[in-house]
Amino acid sequence: KAGVTQTPRYLIKTRGQQVTLSCSPISGHRSVSWYQQTPGQGLQFLFEYFSETQRNKGNFPGRFSGRQFSNSRSEMNVSTLELGDSALYLCASSLVLAADTQYFGPGTRLTVL
Amino acid sequence: GQQVMQIPQYQHVQEGEDFTTYCNSSTTLSNIQWYKQRPGGHPVFLIQLVKSGEVKKQKRLTFQFGEAKKNSSLHITATQTTDVGTYFCAGLGGGSQGNLIFGKGTKLSVKP
Repeated sequence: KAGVTQTPRYLIKTRGQQVTLSCSPISGHRSVSWYQQTPGQGLQFLFEYFSETQRNKGNFPGRFSGRQFSNSRSEMNVSTLELGDSALYLCASSLVLAADTQYFGPGTRLTVL
Repeated sequence: GQQVMQIPQYQHVQEGEDFTTYCNSSTTLSNIQWYKQRPGGHPVFLIQLVKSGEVKKQKRLTFQFGEAKKNSSLHITATQTTDVGTYFCAGLGGGSQGNLIFGKGTKLSVKP
């Protein structure tokens, strides 16, 4: 089976812009979770989608949003980018539950200037 | 909210030395998972522990889950340069949180 794919792999934006990141889960996996990884804070949970519905949400501002499509592919959007949003954004898919084994994608490295 | 603390944050060892990272939760965990992230890579699942007092081995890696299901450890015997990376524990607590809570990880460097 193909692994989790994320696009784009690298992104450079300026403050105030918005960005959309895409994630394609492993075939058959229905749960998609998003994480933000920074050197200081480690892996922080953003949100999880299952069957096109947000099922769990982390402690991030409303500028961070996401959605899931009927084929389980997911996107996350960050509006009004801030310098502190620079991070590696990881998508992970799992079979059913967000607490099942997480299969991570390679991530999108976002730099905000 | 639930927190998962991991220590140490960094560990530098000479090749052949042992290494241990510890994970502690503020609440009882339903299970605990361990992941490894190589430099420049993404986290990769290593193992899941579910039962109180459970011990599992993968070659030179030994994973333990505490009796109270609030702590866990990963021990690597005779480290090799291929062990370099960051090791994360992740726990699922009770209550309404249905997602994994990750520790901040222990970054292991191995000097040949």
